[in-house]
Amino acid sequence: DQQVKQNSPSLSVQEGRISILNCDYTNSMFDYFLWYKKYPAEGPTFLISISSIKDKNEDGRFTVFLNKSAKHLSLHIVPSQPGDSAVYFCAASGDGGSQGNLIFGKGTKLSVKP
Amino acid sequence: DTGVSQNPRHKITKRGQNVTFRCDPISEHNRLYWYRQTLGQGPEFLTYFQNEAQLEKSRLLSDRFSAERPKGSFSTLEIQRTEQGDSAMYLCASSLAGQRFYGYTFGSGTRLTVV
Repeated sequence: DQQVKQNSPSLSVQEGRISILNCDYTNSMFDYFLWYKKYPAEGPTFLISISSIKDKNEDGRFTVFLNKSAKHLSLHIVPSQPGDSAVYFCAASGDGGSQGNLIFGKGTKLSVKP
Repeated sequence: DTGVSQNPRHKITKRGQNVTFRCDPISEHNRLYWYRQTLGQGPEFLTYFQNEAQLEKSRLLSDRFSAERPKGSFSTLEIQRTEQGDSAMYLCASSLAGQRFYGYTFGSGTRLTVV
């Protein structure tokens, strides 16, 4: 059973507009949520994270929002740039006390068109 | 520091052979993780070490898989009697304990193809 779900396999956005990537989770024990970006032939790169006690965290063009009641988080990229084109993974940590185990979604491929 | 280094980048092996991958983490990081990623999936946790101690293993890590971190620095992941289902990208990551907010730093991975 997937505990972290990214229901949109792909997203296409025009340069300069907002990209919104969504993620849902099922386990209320998760206490950290993270977003990673992955280019082909490279490992995932950490982007931004949020603690479960917060509802928003911002870093430059990237903002993550957490809605605990809905078990939903989203990553906003404003403005989107062609270099943002990559696969974005949502991940969660803290499952039942396991602090070594990041659980990833399947990813959303973002394409930013010039 | 050059980040997390994994070798080799690619490995093609025949079914039934043994393979070993190496990971060199960021030097000051005391935690090291192994993940596996197959096509269309996110990375799946295999195991992690804090210093030289292996603290957690996933049920994905069958008896054919073994990981070591003998001196708390580099780590090796060995797969014995490889099967075609083992074909995947094997990712290593490292971090400092207690700093989950800052995420893990991943290497570029070793792509294993079992023919």
